[in-house]
Amino acid sequence: DVKVTQSSRYLVKRTGEKVFLECVQDMDHENMFWYRQDPGLGLRLIYFSYDVKMKEKGDIPEGYSVSREKKERFSLILESASTNQTSMYLCASKGVRQGLSSPLHFGNGTRLTVT
Amino acid sequence: AQSVTQLDSQVPVFEEAPVELRCNYSSSVSVYLFWYVQYPNQGLQLLLKYLSGSTLVKGINGFEAEFNKSQTSFHLRKPSVHISDTAEYFCAVSDLSSGYALNFGKGTSLLVTP
Repeated sequence: DVKVTQSSRYLVKRTGEKVFLECVQDMDHENMFWYRQDPGLGLRLIYFSYDVKMKEKGDIPEGYSVSREKKERFSLILESASTNQTSMYLCASKGVRQGLSSPLHFGNGTRLTVT
Repeated sequence: AQSVTQLDSQVPVFEEAPVELRCNYSSSVSVYLFWYVQYPNQGLQLLLKYLSGSTLVKGINGFEAEFNKSQTSFHLRKPSVHISDTAEYFCAVSDLSSGYALNFGKGTSLLVTP
């Protein structure tokens, strides 16, 4: 079974801090994703990555960056956290063998609070 | 870009009653559709997916969904719900324009009461 692990379940940070959210998958998947989840808005794609050192902007990349130095690890970075980035962050991975028909596999999420 | 609309934000239902959660998607030549479930304080878990072939798709926990191309719908159903089905349900579609990402609906909160 695919395992996607997010390093923290809960984080509390102060406005202006630099925040790192870490995600690791164990299935050698090429594609990895960061979504944020907010009540009434569903899941919105922040960034995704096709391969090591590759990254693409999703629908809401402003205020975020990402890093993919190794295939299994995909980090989301908040350069200067703001209160409007308080949210649930979900990491996901996906293999490419089945192309678009392959499902995403999710981690359990990190609930970030910025005060 | 492909998009989905979940028509109900909340669905209250009594235990052992049937339920339908509605999802419509924007039209495309080919489309892959998914339903995910999120239990409290957990990530998303795949319930079922439609890729091609039979329009009736069976998933885990007794759920099924019907793909209707003419109505661009992919409604989720269960004939008899349990308290443990209380969760958030998300419909999603593959979007070629964002590579292999999924576009999600805003979710439907299913609340099952005794």
